[in-house]
Amino acid sequence: DVKVTQSSRYLVKRTGEKVFLECVQDMDHENMFWYRQDPGLGLRLIYFSYDVKMKEKGDIPEGYSVSREKKERFSLILESASTNQTSMYLCASSSGSGFSDTQYFGPGTRLTVL
Amino acid sequence: LAKTTQPISMDSYEGQEVNITCSHNNIATNDYITWYQQFPSQGPRFIIQGYKTKVTNEVASLFIPADRKSSTLSLPRVSLSDTAVYYCLVGDRASGSARQLTFGSGTQLTVLP
Repeated sequence: DVKVTQSSRYLVKRTGEKVFLECVQDMDHENMFWYRQDPGLGLRLIYFSYDVKMKEKGDIPEGYSVSREKKERFSLILESASTNQTSMYLCASSSGSGFSDTQYFGPGTRLTVL
Repeated sequence: LAKTTQPISMDSYEGQEVNITCSHNNIATNDYITWYQQFPSQGPRFIIQGYKTKVTNEVASLFIPADRKSSTLSLPRVSLSDTAVYYCLVGDRASGSARQLTFGSGTQLTVLP
């Protein structure tokens, strides 16, 4: 069965802290994504990666960076957390050359920045 | 980018057929239309995908008119467990950038007893 796991379901951090959100998939997928989900705004793409060490900015990359050193792992980094980064963060993966192929999502990490 | 528009919410009763429409006026030639379902505290889950006309699987049907500027997700005989948020996604399946993927803001479907 397909599985995408995220390191934490709930996380509370303080303003200015560096925050790491980890995502692991066991499907040997090429593509991995980070979204944030806010009420009324749906899912917004932060960053995505189509191969190891390859990444591209999504719609809202400001304040975030990513790392993909291994195919199965995609990390989202908040360099200096701010209160407006309080949100639900969703990781997803997909196979194939087209990004519209089925995406498999993790359960999400609810991050609160105080 | 193919921006999508969906109703914010819909109510239905158990046993009824539910149709949720997504508008995507700027859809590109290579774009596919995908629908996802999301329950509280879970990530979205794939329901169905199509390019034109009609697609049906064991869960839902997807109707896409000839101009492809909209699509309708049809859920037959809904039950209480179908209460969820439904997202429409438009994107290029063959190639291109994931920046071309556009999720709608979702439709909260509430099924009442």
